[in-house]
Amino acid sequence: DAKTTQPPSMDCAEGRAANLPCNHSTISGNEYVYWYRQIHSQGPQYIIHGLKNNETNEMASLIITEDRKSSTLILPHATLRDTAVYYCIVRTHSNTGNQFYFGTGTSLTVIP
Amino acid sequence: DGGITQSPKYLFRKEGQNVTLSCEQNLNHDAMYWYRQDPGQGLRLIYYSQIVNDFQKGDIAEGYSVSREKKESFPLTVTSAQKNPTAFYLCASTASLWGTDTQYFGPGTRLTVL
Repeated sequence: DAKTTQPPSMDCAEGRAANLPCNHSTISGNEYVYWYRQIHSQGPQYIIHGLKNNETNEMASLIITEDRKSSTLILPHATLRDTAVYYCIVRTHSNTGNQFYFGTGTSLTVIP
Repeated sequence: DGGITQSPKYLFRKEGQNVTLSCEQNLNHDAMYWYRQDPGQGLRLIYYSQIVNDFQKGDIAEGYSVSREKKESFPLTVTSAQKNPTAFYLCASTASLWGTDTQYFGPGTRLTVL
């Protein structure tokens, strides 16, 4: 079952930063936080992942709190093409392999 | 150009028929996965495979079967035993089942059972 909590929906004005929060209060010390997004009727697209430190790539920044119980995905200048469902995932460890559990995510709408 | 391909994009079948969904990857990944997605829902794991000739049930395996005869191929069969097969099916792969590798997804197959 999903180990993350996200708001079901958010709006963001085009050109502004979109800040998407995620709670993962039961995360273990060696579990990574991943972010994916899914545009309607397409496969999820990888955005970024991190363990403890903040991460940045060409798509987004990931801010992880010091206690690792929550994180925020930042899209610095949202465009209309960023409208999608964003999934925050904790990759869990088990004796049958490391699994990705996708919850219902946050539906981000970028408004012109 | 590396990636994961799924075919067909749309599939229609009559109730009671088995149907096989294709998934091929040329990423040289060991691990492959099948997920099901229903409208407004997240992804649920059906089956996964960490290596050729090995696969494990996920959370909702009932009514589905898989095979892994080649590293690059992981077909999913939706059998007549699956009570509600209409859904969006996604195939994914990672380099390894045990590392911290990113999971990559195919474009999906939308199955509609009439």
